[in-house]
Amino acid sequence: DQQVKQNSPSLSVQEGRISILNCDYTNSMFDYFLWYKKYPAEGPTFLISISSIKDKNEDGRFTVFLNKSAKHLSLHIVPSQPGDSAVYVCAAQETSGSRLTFGEGTQLTVNP
Amino acid sequence: DADVTQTPRNRITKTGKRIMLECSQTKGHDRMYWYRQDPGLGLRLIYYSFDVKDINKGEISDGYSVSRQAQAKFSLSLESAIPNQTALYFCATSESGTFRSGANVLTFGAGSRLTVL
Repeated sequence: DQQVKQNSPSLSVQEGRISILNCDYTNSMFDYFLWYKKYPAEGPTFLISISSIKDKNEDGRFTVFLNKSAKHLSLHIVPSQPGDSAVYVCAAQETSGSRLTFGEGTQLTVNP
Repeated sequence: DADVTQTPRNRITKTGKRIMLECSQTKGHDRMYWYRQDPGLGLRLIYYSFDVKDINKGEISDGYSVSRQAQAKFSLSLESAIPNQTALYFCATSESGTFRSGANVLTFGAGSRLTVL
């Protein structure tokens, strides 16, 4: 069963606008959530994470929101830039430092 | 040079052949992982190693084996490749213990695309 799900395979936004990428999970034991960014022909690179004891974490243009009751997290990118065009992958882990469970990824395209 | 290097980057082989994918890292991380990616699916863990003497099966280890030759090297073998092992394979590393907030942040290689005919 898919414990981490990204239901939108793709998202297209205009440069300067907000991009919102969503991720749902089913395992209430997940303690940490991470977002990775992946360009073609490259491996995923770490973007931002959030602990389950928080509901928001911000790093520059990137903010991750966690809604534990809904088992939902989202990544907001404001303002979106063409260089943000990539696949964004959501991941979750049960305990500190343990293995990750990954979502399928969402292709973000930011149009100039 | 990349922190995590995978070789080969692309390989086409035939059913029944033995294939080895190699991974080396300069991060100094103790933990190394092999993942597989298929279209429409998330990365799935094949094997992982928390140090040179520690090898663990992941969720899809059947048909694969690994060798941790040194702290910096972790290879994945397909003893007898089959077409449904056609996929993109990623090696990754992480620090032991917690990292900053406790999230297990992985550093990935660029991937090895394997096609089994």
